[in-house]
Amino acid sequence: ETGVTQTPRHLVMGMTNKKSLKCEQHLGHNAMYWYKQSAKKPLELMFVYSLEERVENNSVPSRFSPECPNSSHLFLHLHTLQPEDSALYLCASSQDVGQRTGELFFGEGSRLTVL
Amino acid sequence: GQSLEQPSEVTAVEGAIVQINCTYQTSGFYGLSWYQQHDGGAPTFLSYNALDGLEETGRFSSFLSRSDSYGYLLLQELQMKDSASYFCAVRPYSGGYQKVTFGTGTKLQVIP
Repeated sequence: ETGVTQTPRHLVMGMTNKKSLKCEQHLGHNAMYWYKQSAKKPLELMFVYSLEERVENNSVPSRFSPECPNSSHLFLHLHTLQPEDSALYLCASSQDVGQRTGELFFGEGSRLTVL
Repeated sequence: GQSLEQPSEVTAVEGAIVQINCTYQTSGFYGLSWYQQHDGGAPTFLSYNALDGLEETGRFSSFLSRSDSYGYLLLQELQMKDSASYFCAVRPYSGGYQKVTFGTGTKLQVIP
């Protein structure tokens, strides 16, 4: 248990569907992240929110839309995805002030399959 | 930009010592971190090097040499449960502190 909870753990969707991934952190952190993990590729940073403001959008297609309503919750809204978007989507949080290592705490991920 | 390269796979025997290397090209960063990820699990933080040299945490040690653009994770007294993927990561000076960039990952297999 890392203190970061992601739902759903598994999701199968068609290319025309709209779905959302949810992330909740119980650690009191002030930054939250979305990463994409595909087979044989490094973890790819998608979005970062610090103090509920988006500070990074790493050239992610607009079919992925993040939302951070407060410092404990992060969503990733998905629509008209492509099969190549099938991957493990990892949420993470960190305390970016007063923390020496900048350690990220990850959730167990949402495994997305796009048909 | 930043790139961090790691060997894709390493196999080692239970009880032995293994070193996982991370070579990088980056304009500058706050420190080098290491994460462990078991199949189906979340990446978890292992260690952090802000300065050059060796940091030891139990059976795991991590090393950084900024002049050589190189770091490594050393695992001693290997156990079967150490079979996992290992990632190095940096927080760069440029582009924002939050832009944590990960290496390509090394899948470690520990055999009896």
